[in-house]
This record gives sequence, C-alpha cells and structure tokens, in this order.
Amino acid sequence: AQKITQTQPGMFVQEKEAVTLDCTYDTSDPSYGLFWYKQPSSGEMIFLIYQGSYDQQNATEGRYSLNFQKARKSANLVISASQLGDSAMYFCAMREGSERYSTLTFGKGTMLLVSP
Amino acid sequence: ETGVTQTPRHLVMGMTNKKSLKCEQHLGHNAMYWYKQSAKKPLELMFVYSLEERVENNSVPSRFSPECPNSSHLFLHLHTLQPEDSALYLCASSQDSRGRGQTQYFGPGTRLLVL
Repeated sequence: AQKITQTQPGMFVQEKEAVTLDCTYDTSDPSYGLFWYKQPSSGEMIFLIYQGSYDQQNATEGRYSLNFQKARKSANLVISASQLGDSAMYFCAMREGSERYSTLTFGKGTMLLVSP
Repeated sequence: ETGVTQTPRHLVMGMTNKKSLKCEQHLGHNAMYWYKQSAKKPLELMFVYSLEERVENNSVPSRFSPECPNSSHLFLHLHTLQPEDSALYLCASSQDSRGRGQTQYFGPGTRLLVL
C-alpha cells in the first residue's frame, strides 16, 4: 500500500486565489513528520513546511499552511494568494520513526499551474 | 556557496563510461542522501550516510557506488549504466539521520542521460 497518496495529478488556479493540494498518508507509527516540497522545472526540491504528528496546531509558513487532520490521516497544503512563481510540482512526504535512521517517503506529486 | 550544491548539473554518458556525481553541503549537517527521480515515479531513496557511515543501501544495483569521504561531501560513482538509469539524481542533507522532524534540504540535481 502507498504510504503517501496525492490524488490530484494537476491543479489549475488563477493568480491571487487560494488553492488546496491534497495529501493522505498511511502509517502505524505514532511518531512521524509530514513535509511539503516544491519542485520547479529547474529540478531543485525546495522545502516549504513541516508538521509533526504531536503538534497541536497546524503549521504555517508565510503563504503556506498545512491543514493537518490526524484522524483522517490527511495533511493538505494550502497556498493563499497564488503567484505565477508558484507554478511547479508539489510533493508531500512523510518521515517515520526515531531509530538509527528514518527515511523520507514521497508521494507522486501534484503539478500546480497558476494563470494570470 | 550556500545550501547543497551538485555537479555536474547535466551529464550524458555511454553505457561503457565511468563518471561521478558530486554533492557538497554547506549546512554543517551530519547526514547525506542520494535519491533517484525517474519520470512519473516517486522519488526513490538510494543511499543514506550518517557521519560518513553508510546506514542504508536501498537495494541499489552495484553499478552505482557511493562514497562519503567526510560529512560535507558525497559522491555517486557510475559505471556500466543502462538507459533506464537515465533520471534526475538528487542529493540531500539533514542535521541528523534520525528523528521524524529532520528536514532534508536538497541540491539542484544532476540530470543524467545514458545512451
């Protein structure tokens, strides 16, 4: 079974509007972290936001916020006031455990296109 | 230089060539990673190094050989690759290899084409 599911292959949004990118995850580990990355066409993976499984409040970083619903195992990324530069692939990822090493598992990504 | 750098950014090689990818991190981190990103596939973890010790080899073929001479540098030596190895190879680093909250910071990647 997939650990990270991103059901939206592509999303379109107009400039200045808000957009939500979906992510659901699957884990039996009570300790995990959830991450969102942005990958422009240049290829670099840019870290956007992090949410820990024990965090009580939803994470926010500027125009990015993470809608964390633990019972539903979802961690949707909300981008407010979209900009043309937000056009990119967006990946949700999860890191489990706290042993010797813990791996980061990525979803397949959502392509976001922002139009003028 | 800041963050994580990778060289070369683009590489074309024949199946009989030997080449190396280089990664350098300027963040003072102790863990470094190699990932492979193929078209229409999720990122695949290849190798994890913690304090220059390899802690994960994710069933990667032996034609990929990593080397971590110190905590700031990571290499991926390539030899007798196959066309299906064409992909974007991403290097990343984090403060530590353990812990759910360890954010990984990525380099710009090397786009590899094997002919």
